[in-house]
Amino acid sequence: RKEVEQDPGPFNVPEGATVAFNCTYSNSASQSFFWYRQDCRKEPKLLMSVYSSGNEDGRFTAQLNRASQYISLLIRDSKLSDSATYLCVVNSAGNQFYFGTGTSLTVIP
Amino acid sequence: DAGITQSPRHKVTETGTPVTLRCHQTENHRYMYWYRQDPGHGLRLIHYSYGVKDTDKGEVSDGYSVSRSKTEDFLLTLESATSSQTSVYFCAIRPTGNYNEQFFGPGTRLTVL
Repeated sequence: RKEVEQDPGPFNVPEGATVAFNCTYSNSASQSFFWYRQDCRKEPKLLMSVYSSGNEDGRFTAQLNRASQYISLLIRDSKLSDSATYLCVVNSAGNQFYFGTGTSLTVIP
Repeated sequence: DAGITQSPRHKVTETGTPVTLRCHQTENHRYMYWYRQDPGHGLRLIHYSYGVKDTDKGEVSDGYSVSRSKTEDFLLTLESATSSQTSVYFCAIRPTGNYNEQFFGPGTRLTVL
Protein backbone atom coordinates (compact mmCIF):
# COMPACT_ATOMS: atom_id res chain seq x y z
CA ARG A 1 0.00 0.00 0.00
CA LYS A 2 1.32 3.44 -0.88
CA GLU A 3 2.17 5.78 1.97
CA VAL A 4 0.27 8.63 0.35
CA GLU A 5 -2.53 8.42 -2.19
CA GLN A 6 -4.07 11.16 -4.28
CA ASP A 7 -6.60 11.33 -7.06
CA PRO A 8 -4.44 12.21 -10.10
CA GLY A 9 -7.25 14.13 -11.79
CA PRO A 10 -7.04 15.98 -14.07
CA PHE A 11 -9.26 18.68 -12.70
CA ASN A 12 -10.30 21.21 -15.33
CA VAL A 13 -12.15 24.14 -13.79
CA PRO A 14 -13.22 27.59 -14.99
CA GLU A 15 -11.67 30.73 -13.59
CA GLY A 16 -13.33 31.74 -10.36
CA ALA A 17 -14.37 28.22 -9.42
CA THR A 18 -13.68 26.52 -6.12
CA VAL A 19 -11.84 23.21 -6.31
CA ALA A 20 -10.87 20.70 -3.64
CA PHE A 21 -8.18 18.03 -3.61
CA ASN A 22 -7.98 15.12 -1.24
CA CYS A 23 -5.21 12.90 -0.04
CA THR A 24 -5.02 9.92 2.30
CA TYR A 25 -2.01 8.59 4.16
CA SER A 26 -1.41 5.13 5.58
CA ASN A 27 0.87 5.70 8.57
CA SER A 28 -1.14 6.77 11.59
CA ALA A 29 2.09 7.93 13.27
CA SER A 30 2.64 10.61 10.61
CA GLN A 31 3.25 13.98 12.18
CA SER A 32 3.81 16.61 9.51
CA PHE A 33 1.73 17.30 6.45
CA PHE A 34 2.21 19.57 3.47
CA TRP A 35 0.94 20.61 0.09
CA TYR A 36 3.52 21.31 -2.59
CA ARG A 37 2.94 22.83 -5.99
CA GLN A 38 4.81 21.70 -9.08
CA ASP A 39 4.69 23.51 -12.38
CA CYS A 40 5.36 21.62 -15.59
CA ARG A 41 9.01 20.53 -15.84
CA LYS A 42 9.93 22.45 -12.68
CA GLU A 43 10.84 21.49 -9.14
CA PRO A 44 8.20 21.12 -6.41
CA LYS A 45 7.75 24.13 -4.13
CA LEU A 46 6.08 24.29 -0.75
CA LEU A 47 2.58 25.74 -0.97
CA MET A 48 1.60 25.35 2.67
CA SER A 49 1.94 23.21 5.73
CA VAL A 50 -1.19 21.56 7.09
CA TYR A 51 -1.98 21.94 10.78
CA SER A 52 -4.39 19.95 12.90
CA SER A 53 -6.67 22.91 13.39
CA GLY A 54 -6.76 23.68 9.69
CA ASN A 55 -5.12 26.70 8.18
CA GLU A 56 -5.71 29.26 5.51
CA ASP A 57 -3.42 31.28 3.28
CA GLY A 58 -5.35 33.68 1.11
CA ARG A 59 -7.46 31.65 -1.31
CA PHE A 60 -6.00 28.36 -0.08
CA THR A 61 -7.33 26.34 2.86
CA ALA A 62 -5.79 23.12 4.13
CA GLN A 63 -7.47 20.67 6.47
CA LEU A 64 -6.24 17.61 8.33
CA ASN A 65 -8.40 14.81 9.68
CA ARG A 66 -6.19 12.53 11.76
CA ALA A 67 -8.97 10.09 12.58
CA SER A 68 -9.58 9.41 8.89
CA GLN A 69 -5.94 9.99 7.89
CA TYR A 70 -7.09 12.46 5.32
CA ILE A 71 -5.73 15.80 4.10
CA SER A 72 -7.48 18.29 1.88
CA LEU A 73 -6.68 21.45 -0.05
CA LEU A 74 -9.36 23.91 -1.09
CA ILE A 75 -8.68 26.61 -3.66
CA ARG A 76 -11.23 29.38 -3.91
CA ASP A 77 -11.65 31.84 -6.79
CA SER A 78 -9.29 29.87 -9.04
CA LYS A 79 -6.86 31.83 -11.18
CA LEU A 80 -5.20 30.81 -14.42
CA SER A 81 -1.90 30.91 -12.51
CA ASP A 82 -3.14 28.16 -10.19
CA SER A 83 -2.76 25.64 -13.02
CA ALA A 84 -0.17 23.16 -11.78
CA THR A 85 0.20 19.77 -10.13
CA TYR A 86 -0.44 19.69 -6.39
CA LEU A 87 1.49 17.19 -4.32
CA CYS A 88 0.43 15.89 -0.94
CA VAL A 89 3.43 15.21 1.31
CA VAL A 90 3.68 13.45 4.66
CA ASN A 91 6.54 13.14 7.15
CA SER A 92 6.44 10.49 9.86
CA ALA A 93 8.75 12.23 12.34
CA GLY A 94 11.73 10.58 10.74
CA ASN A 95 14.05 11.79 8.06
CA GLN A 96 11.89 10.71 5.17
CA PHE A 97 9.11 12.53 3.36
CA TYR A 98 6.50 10.63 1.36
CA PHE A 99 4.95 12.18 -1.71
CA GLY A 100 1.67 11.50 -3.41
CA THR A 101 1.65 11.18 -7.18
CA GLY A 102 0.07 14.60 -7.52
CA THR A 103 -3.24 16.02 -8.69
CA SER A 104 -3.25 17.98 -11.94
CA LEU A 105 -5.24 21.21 -12.07
CA THR A 106 -5.97 23.26 -15.16
CA VAL A 107 -7.87 26.51 -14.75
CA ILE A 108 -9.67 27.44 -17.95
CA PRO A 109 -10.37 31.05 -19.01
CA ASP B 1 16.22 30.81 -3.29
CA ALA B 2 17.74 27.99 -1.25
CA GLY B 3 20.98 28.03 -3.23
CA ILE B 4 20.67 24.53 -4.67
CA THR B 5 22.14 23.64 -8.03
CA GLN B 6 22.23 20.36 -9.87
CA SER B 7 24.55 19.26 -12.63
CA PRO B 8 24.22 18.24 -15.30
CA ARG B 9 20.71 19.45 -16.02
CA HIS B 10 20.27 17.04 -18.90
CA LYS B 11 22.14 13.88 -19.77
CA VAL B 12 21.76 11.10 -22.30
CA THR B 13 23.81 7.99 -21.70
CA GLU B 14 23.94 4.36 -22.73
CA THR B 15 23.00 1.28 -20.78
CA GLY B 16 25.84 -0.06 -18.69
CA THR B 17 27.73 3.18 -18.26
CA PRO B 18 28.30 4.79 -14.86
CA VAL B 19 26.71 8.18 -14.31
CA THR B 20 27.24 10.69 -11.50
CA LEU B 21 24.85 13.50 -10.72
CA ARG B 22 25.89 16.36 -8.48
CA CYS B 23 23.87 18.41 -6.03
CA HIS B 24 25.47 21.53 -4.61
CA GLN B 25 24.16 23.80 -1.86
CA THR B 26 25.59 27.03 -0.57
CA GLU B 27 24.02 27.29 2.88
CA ASN B 28 25.60 24.41 4.84
CA HIS B 29 22.38 22.54 5.51
CA ARG B 30 22.85 19.20 7.17
CA TYR B 31 20.16 17.17 5.40
CA MET B 32 20.23 16.47 1.68
CA TYR B 33 18.07 14.14 -0.37
CA TRP B 34 17.97 12.51 -3.80
CA TYR B 35 14.60 11.69 -5.35
CA ARG B 36 13.49 10.39 -8.69
CA GLN B 37 10.20 11.37 -10.27
CA ASP B 38 8.37 9.16 -12.72
CA PRO B 39 4.83 9.29 -14.12
CA GLY B 40 2.41 7.44 -11.90
CA HIS B 41 4.88 7.19 -9.02
CA GLY B 42 5.44 10.69 -7.82
CA LEU B 43 8.69 11.50 -6.08
CA ARG B 44 10.45 8.54 -4.52
CA LEU B 45 13.40 8.76 -2.19
CA ILE B 46 16.63 7.16 -3.38
CA HIS B 47 19.11 8.10 -0.65
CA TYR B 48 19.52 10.86 1.86
CA SER B 49 22.32 12.29 3.96
CA TYR B 50 22.25 13.70 7.47
CA GLY B 51 25.83 14.92 7.52
CA VAL B 52 29.24 14.48 5.96
CA LYS B 53 29.78 10.77 5.30
CA ASP B 54 26.41 9.98 6.91
CA THR B 55 23.92 8.55 4.44
CA ASP B 56 20.97 6.20 4.44
CA LYS B 57 18.85 4.38 1.90
CA GLY B 58 15.41 5.35 0.72
CA GLU B 59 12.72 3.21 -0.83
CA VAL B 60 14.32 2.89 -4.31
CA SER B 61 18.05 2.69 -3.57
CA ASP B 62 18.92 -0.40 -5.62
CA GLY B 63 21.35 0.46 -8.41
CA TYR B 64 22.33 3.78 -6.82
CA SER B 65 25.09 4.88 -4.49
CA VAL B 66 25.78 8.25 -2.90
CA SER B 67 28.64 10.09 -1.36
CA ARG B 68 28.95 13.18 0.75
CA SER B 69 32.55 14.10 1.44
CA LYS B 70 31.77 17.75 2.19
CA THR B 71 28.68 19.56 3.44
CA GLU B 72 27.91 21.36 0.22
CA ASP B 73 27.99 18.43 -2.22
CA PHE B 74 25.87 15.30 -2.42
CA LEU B 75 26.68 12.99 -5.31
CA LEU B 76 24.40 10.34 -6.76
CA THR B 77 26.00 7.57 -8.81
CA LEU B 78 24.29 5.08 -11.07
CA GLU B 79 26.82 2.31 -11.02
CA SER B 80 25.70 0.76 -14.30
CA ALA B 81 22.84 2.70 -15.84
CA THR B 82 19.75 0.86 -17.04
CA SER B 83 16.80 2.08 -19.08
CA SER B 84 14.61 1.81 -15.96
CA GLN B 85 16.69 4.59 -14.44
CA THR B 86 15.53 7.04 -17.10
CA SER B 87 13.87 9.66 -14.94
CA VAL B 88 13.97 13.16 -13.57
CA TYR B 89 16.21 13.37 -10.53
CA PHE B 90 15.67 16.02 -7.88
CA CYS B 91 17.95 16.95 -5.07
CA ALA B 92 16.49 18.57 -1.97
CA ILE B 93 17.71 20.10 1.26
CA ARG B 94 15.99 20.28 4.61
CA PRO B 95 16.81 23.64 6.15
CA THR B 96 18.59 23.71 9.45
CA GLY B 97 16.16 25.02 12.04
CA ASN B 98 13.10 24.24 9.92
CA TYR B 99 13.05 20.51 9.55
CA ASN B 100 9.47 20.47 8.34
CA GLU B 101 10.30 21.86 4.97
CA GLN B 102 12.26 20.80 1.90
CA PHE B 103 13.64 22.93 -0.90
CA PHE B 104 14.36 21.35 -4.23
CA GLY B 105 16.96 21.85 -6.89
CA PRO B 106 15.93 22.38 -10.51
CA GLY B 107 16.24 18.70 -11.43
CA THR B 108 18.32 16.59 -13.79
CA ARG B 109 16.64 14.90 -16.73
CA LEU B 110 18.45 11.60 -17.39
CA THR B 111 17.82 9.38 -20.38
CA VAL B 112 19.40 5.93 -20.55
CA LEU B 113 19.31 4.42 -24.03
